[in-house]
Amino acid sequence: GQSLEQPSEVTAVEGAIVQINCTYQTSGFYGLSWYQQHDGGAPTFLSYNALDGLEETGRFSSFLSRSDSYGYLLLQELQMKDSASYFCAVVTNAGKSTFGDGTTLTVKP
Amino acid sequence: EAGVTQFPSHSVIEKGQTVTLRCDPISGHDNLYWYRRVMGKEIKFLLHFVKESKQDESGMPNNRFLAERTGGTYSTLKVQPAELEDSGVYFCASSQPGLAGGNEQFFGPGTRLTVL
Repeated sequence: GQSLEQPSEVTAVEGAIVQINCTYQTSGFYGLSWYQQHDGGAPTFLSYNALDGLEETGRFSSFLSRSDSYGYLLLQELQMKDSASYFCAVVTNAGKSTFGDGTTLTVKP
Repeated sequence: EAGVTQFPSHSVIEKGQTVTLRCDPISGHDNLYWYRRVMGKEIKFLLHFVKESKQDESGMPNNRFLAERTGGTYSTLKVQPAELEDSGVYFCASSQPGLAGGNEQFFGPGTRLTVL
């Protein structure tokens, strides 16, 4: 089976940088994805890593280390609108996605 | 291009009743997924269709849940009979054909199911 761990809550101030870590255990690992969800709405895709290294998309970056079964989402220049839940999701080579429990990010002025 | 749509947005039913949720994926997306989020917890995988075939239904909680995707287009998820613990938000997602498509899933707005 698959299991993921990520912090339940993170708090930061506007303009700061925050890193949300995700560790996983899975068989048939294919990639690690990140999603953002505001107030119970539809999760929206942020980033994906299949290979080791850093992927940058604007203010958001995602990192993966396959050997360490570890990844993180880095959010820079935090804005109030970034307050949301962030989920890491492991994708297996069978096409199945397993989501973590989510990290609630609160951005304060 | 239209996104993933789900119907209804909300459903309130009594224990023992039947409810059918519908999902219309993005056109051309062979992969269709159903998830459930209960009490703000994890987004729990239910099942995965590739076109009309069930690729993985390991997350379906029990035989009260039946998912179909006739013709490989829209999908329905029927709960019969509904129990109190079935309450939650049911999300549908779709993605591009192929394995790599699973990495970027497009979610619908969800159906909030309340069983009284």
